Amino acid sequence: NAGVTQTPKFQVLKTGQSMTLQCAQDMNHNSMYWYRQDPGMGLRLIYYSASEGTTDKGEVPNGYNVSRLNKREFSLRLESAAPSQTSVYFCASTRDRGRGTGELFFGEGSRLTVL
Amino acid sequence: SQKIEQNSEALNIQEGKTATLTCNYTNYSPAYLQWYRQDPGRGPVFLLLIRENEKEKRKERLKVTFDTTLKQSLFHITASQPADSATYLCAPNVGNTDKLIFGTGTRLQVFP
Repeated sequence: NAGVTQTPKFQVLKTGQSMTLQCAQDMNHNSMYWYRQDPGMGLRLIYYSASEGTTDKGEVPNGYNVSRLNKREFSLRLESAAPSQTSVYFCASTRDRGRGTGELFFGEGSRLTVL
Repeated sequence: SQKIEQNSEALNIQEGKTATLTCNYTNYSPAYLQWYRQDPGRGPVFLLLIRENEKEKRKERLKVTFDTTLKQSLFHITASQPADSATYLCAPNVGNTDKLIFGTGTRLQVFP
């Protein structure tokens, strides 16, 4: 099993450009998440999706949009990138809410630099 | 506001010793707490989960304790090995949800 796959692994953008980070999981998980990780800040939740067709804001949603395309895929879009969005982005998934342990399975990360 | 504190300074220990990492939380009461390992350039990997009604959980050389009175979790690695060198993240859940709040992590370095 591939687990959680993120693309691209690295990306450099100029301020104002847009891009989409892709995430797919093959574990049949219902819940999917997007986090960002910055030095000294820990992982912070951007958006999450409890099931196909639903999305909710996390701790730091401003400047981002998400799409839960189907059960497998959850994408994160930056409409107009800003230097403050330079970060490492992680996608994660978990088993059904309330029945699983809540443990998260993470992708390998997407390293984004905004100049 | 809810706050998670892990020692930001690296912990350096000798191979074979027991490593103990601390996670303190304030202003809320999680139902469970998870620990993750993160290697440089990789995503976090789940290690252990402990619930509020459990005092201790073990998995091979790993042991986690959860003291809801002190609002603290301790993570122990016994007989530590250089391969245990990594950053360890603490993540209590929020209320009755599956959302987690992550600490900044503690970097462990085990030297021969």
